[in-house]
Amino acid sequence: EVQLVESGGGLVQPGGALRLSCSASGFSFKKYAMHWVRQAPGKGLEYISSINSNGNKTFYADSVKGRFTISRNNSKNTLNIQMSSLRPEDTAVYYCVKGGGLANCGGDCYGESWGQGTLVTVSS
Amino acid sequence: DIQLTQSPSFLSASVGDRVTITCRASQDISRYLAWFQQRAGKAPNLLISAASTLQSGVPSRFSGSGSGTEFTLTINSLQPEDFATYYCQRLNNYPFTFGPGTKVEI
Repeated sequence: EVQLVESGGGLVQPGGALRLSCSASGFSFKKYAMHWVRQAPGKGLEYISSINSNGNKTFYADSVKGRFTISRNNSKNTLNIQMSSLRPEDTAVYYCVKGGGLANCGGDCYGESWGQGTLVTVSS
Repeated sequence: DIQLTQSPSFLSASVGDRVTITCRASQDISRYLAWFQQRAGKAPNLLISAASTLQSGVPSRFSGSGSGTEFTLTINSLQPEDFATYYCQRLNNYPFTFGPGTKVEI
């Protein structure tokens, strides 16, 4: 069974930094791209970042580009995101999402598995 | 970046109703579209991939259609557990933008 468990959320002051982690199990982590999605309180889902399977390609939403850095450790089955220069508008639940096929994916699709989320609150 | 819009934003319906949600892309995304259901306080659940492929375990009352720039999610015979918010997401290239969501309420 696929499991994704996020950790590292909490209260941080504006301008501060925080590192979130996602521990993965139940699948061959090193074979899959991984993604972060967030949801501000009472708002919709927002894609924020992706990393390919071997970690040498990363992608970011404009809203976090230059402030957030995604990384992974395939030997530890862990996905991370380092967040800096945090703003109140970064307050959200952050979800780790397993990658997969994007079309014609036959039961191994992007988005089939999500973590439970970790709450980041940016406030003074 | 390619943007997604959804209509309606809110939908009031009753058990047994047939409901349709539309997702429009600002450019052609072929069939690279997924639909998610999110119940209150829960992580999203993938319903449909590649615009129309129903995920394993998802009830057959859910269906998706469309390609290019216009897509629909249809729920036949709405059930109490279907009252939730539905999101489309494009997967043709990064960033994997979400639509703003459609809340289905009683």
